[in-house]
Amino acid sequence: QQQVKQSPQSLIVQKGGISIINCAYENTAFDYFPWYQQFPGKGPALLIAIRPDVSEKKEGRFTISFNKSAKQFSLHIMDSQPGDSATYFCAATDYNAGNMLTFGGGTRLMVKP
Amino acid sequence: EAGVTQSPTHLIKTRGQQVTLRCSPISGHTSVYWYQQALGLGLQFLLWYDEGEERNRGNFPPRFSGRQFPNYSSELNVNALELEDSALYLCASSLRGTQETQYFGPGTRLLVL
Repeated sequence: QQQVKQSPQSLIVQKGGISIINCAYENTAFDYFPWYQQFPGKGPALLIAIRPDVSEKKEGRFTISFNKSAKQFSLHIMDSQPGDSATYFCAATDYNAGNMLTFGGGTRLMVKP
Repeated sequence: EAGVTQSPTHLIKTRGQQVTLRCSPISGHTSVYWYQQALGLGLQFLLWYDEGEERNRGNFPPRFSGRQFPNYSSELNVNALELEDSALYLCASSLRGTQETQYFGPGTRLLVL
């Protein structure tokens, strides 16, 4: 059973545009929601993370929006750049069940110059 | 500060063989996590070690095992390799028992023929 569903699977955005990636979760015990960025041949790297007591978190061009009642969260990349082209994974953890990450399926983002 | 390191970077094995992958966490990190990133299946949690003990394991058969050494480095062992074990195996480390960021290594790419 996929506990974190991510969409879209792939996304093409023009340079300067806004990239939006959505995730939905089922387990209401999840209490930490990080986003990871992965370039080819590299391991995932933490981009930004949010806890459910906050509805929005912004770091530079990256913003997480969190809707606890809908069990959804999304990543917005403002002013998307070709260097942002990578695969993005949302994830969630339930601290009381162990700190392992449950990942969404990933979104391959391509930002066209 | 050195990041998470993994060895080897690539590995080719045949069905039925056994393989050992190695991971060195960031200095000061005591928790080590293993994830499998198989094509089409996304990132899946394998094992979590902390303070030398296995704390949790994902939905994988017992032929996936590992251990953590006193210096907090870790090994992942896979016995009786099957074709579907072909994947990128990622190791991550974090501070003990917290929801602090999990930092990933570059992974070991395993191909089973």
